Amino acid sequence: EVQLVESGGGLVQPGVSLRLSCAASGFTFSNHYMAWVRQAPGKGLEWVANINQDGSAKFYVDSVKGRFTISRDNAKNSLFLQMDSLRVEDTAVYYCATGRGWLIQHWGQGSLVTASS
Amino acid sequence: EIVLTHSPGTLSLSPGERATLSCRASQSVGNNYLAWYQQKPGQAPRLLIYDASNRATGIPDRFSGSGSGTDFTLTISRLEPEDFAVYYCQQYATSPLTFGGGTKVEIK
Repeated sequence: EVQLVESGGGLVQPGVSLRLSCAASGFTFSNHYMAWVRQAPGKGLEWVANINQDGSAKFYVDSVKGRFTISRDNAKNSLFLQMDSLRVEDTAVYYCATGRGWLIQHWGQGSLVTASS
Repeated sequence: EIVLTHSPGTLSLSPGERATLSCRASQSVGNNYLAWYQQKPGQAPRLLIYDASNRATGIPDRFSGSGSGTDFTLTISRLEPEDFAVYYCQQYATSPLTFGGGTKVEIK
């Protein structure tokens, strides 16, 4: 069974950094694209970033380019999202996700990030 | 960027009724790489349909997807109590991946 467990969320002030982690199990992590998707309170879903199997290709939504960095450690079956210069509008539940190619088949339970003064 | 628009925004129906949800893309979705997800309050989304018309593993056959190009439909043949939720379409053909704003299916 695929399991994705996010950690690292919390309440931070605007402008600071936060790093999310996702521990993956139940599948061959190194064979799959991974993604982060977020959902602001009471709002819809927004794709944030993708990374390919060996970490050589990364894609971002425009609103986080230059501030967020997606990375992975295949030896530890882990996915990361380094979030710098956080803004109030980055407040959301962040989901770790994976599947076939860019298709999202499996989701974690999410980690809440709140950027507020 | 491919913009996805749901209609209607809210659908008020009774259990046992048929639900028809529409998702329109601002440009053609390559390979019909269009998925539908169901989300209930406090839960992560769940994949229902992929490649426009294929049911995901474990999804009941009352859920079906159709369409191609720019127009896609999710049909729930007979609503069960557990089907009242928000439904999102998503295209995964082109970066940036995009989601529609969702259709809420509520109990009438």
